[in-house]
Parts: sequence; C-alpha cells; structure tokens
Amino acid sequence: QAVVTQEPSLTVSPGGTVTLTCGSSTGTVTSGHYPYWLWQKPGQAPRTLIFDVSYKHSWTPARFSGSLLGGQAALTLSGAQPEDEAEYFCLLSFDGVRAFGGGTKLTVL
Amino acid sequence: EVQVLESGGGLVQPGGSLRLSCVASGFTVHNNGMSWVRQAPGRGLEWVSDITYNDYKYYTDSVRGRFTISRDNSKNTLYLQMDNLRVEDTAMYYCGGHGGNSAWGQGTLVTVS
Repeated sequence: QAVVTQEPSLTVSPGGTVTLTCGSSTGTVTSGHYPYWLWQKPGQAPRTLIFDVSYKHSWTPARFSGSLLGGQAALTLSGAQPEDEAEYFCLLSFDGVRAFGGGTKLTVL
Repeated sequence: EVQVLESGGGLVQPGGSLRLSCVASGFTVHNNGMSWVRQAPGRGLEWVSDITYNDYKYYTDSVRGRFTISRDNSKNTLYLQMDNLRVEDTAMYYCGGHGGNSAWGQGTLVTVS
C-alpha cells in the first residue's frame, strides 16, 4: 500500500501562517486522491477540517484552507490561534484503498 | 447535525470476535460512503475499511480476510465484524461518513489480550 508523508512537527507563532503538506509515495497528489485533513487534540476524537482537497465543514474555522500545492495536498493555517495546537492528519484515497499520513504535531508558540 | 455513535468494543482474547456498530444521525448510511479507522494507544490514525455508496468494500492489508464491513439501511447503522482478532488490533475504533458527512464519533475501544 502507498505511503503518505507529512512533516512530523511544525511550529507557528500566534497570528502567523503555516502550511502543512501531504505527499504520496506513488507520485503527485491530485484531486483524484480526495485529500482529507483531520485534526486531533490530546484525549479527543479526530475531527475532519477539510475534505476533497478544499471543502470545509460548518465547524471548520475560516482560517483553515486546503489546496494542492507542488504535487502535494496542503493545509494552510492563516492567523494561528493557541487552540490550533493539535496533531493534523491527512488522508488520501488510492482507488478506494485509503491511507493516513503519520501526522504533523503543530505547536503554536 | 451530522453525528455518529460507535459501540460494541470490549475485551476479547486473541482469536476471538467482536462486532462494532455505528449509528448515524443527520444523514443516511445507505447512499453514502462510510469508513472505519482506528488508533492504537499512543499512535496515529490508521484507515481500516471503507464501504462506498454503491457497496464496494475496501480493507487495509492487515485486516483483509478477517474483518467485514457492512450496513443495515433500515437501522441506519454501519458495522464492522472483526474475526480472528490479534493483539495488534487493540485500538480505539472510529466510524465516519464521507465528504460532507465526515463526522467522527467518540470511538469504541477494542482490547485484544
């Protein structure tokens, strides 16, 4: 099965902007991989922020956006808040079989 | 509001079986793709299985042949039948819908020991 790659950790300053990326061992990530972004805070269930590249849920803060960037899926956080400190997971589909990345631990500091 | 509620986890011996349930509200399971994912203690998320809106079923390699995903449209419920359980299947199991229905529940804990 394909391997999905994410940065293990990133740090952003409060109010700053950061981009998390999601790559695939099979090559370029496209809309056909239906990228999802989930976040998870310690002791809590995961929550989907973005699905199908860039679609948001009603609960997704406006400061989050999803895109395809440089052959990868990307999650951009503009105007980071302390409550955005969490682990972020991307999920890609490979003709029905899906795989998560290892997660990015985002620190707001 | 889109919500799901998982149940059916518990303690089971290696080689045993469990059936997980996931009741959906705010959307119908029968015309939506649905997923099971899991998270072992202290680890990241692992995708387990999907059933598509048109009944195609997919599994991660480590559970294929042991787990079966299904749904009961009359009960608006998704299931995961888990047979021949292994110690490494120990995890919190979450279900969720696809796309705009991709809300996840609080999970149900499966311990194989």
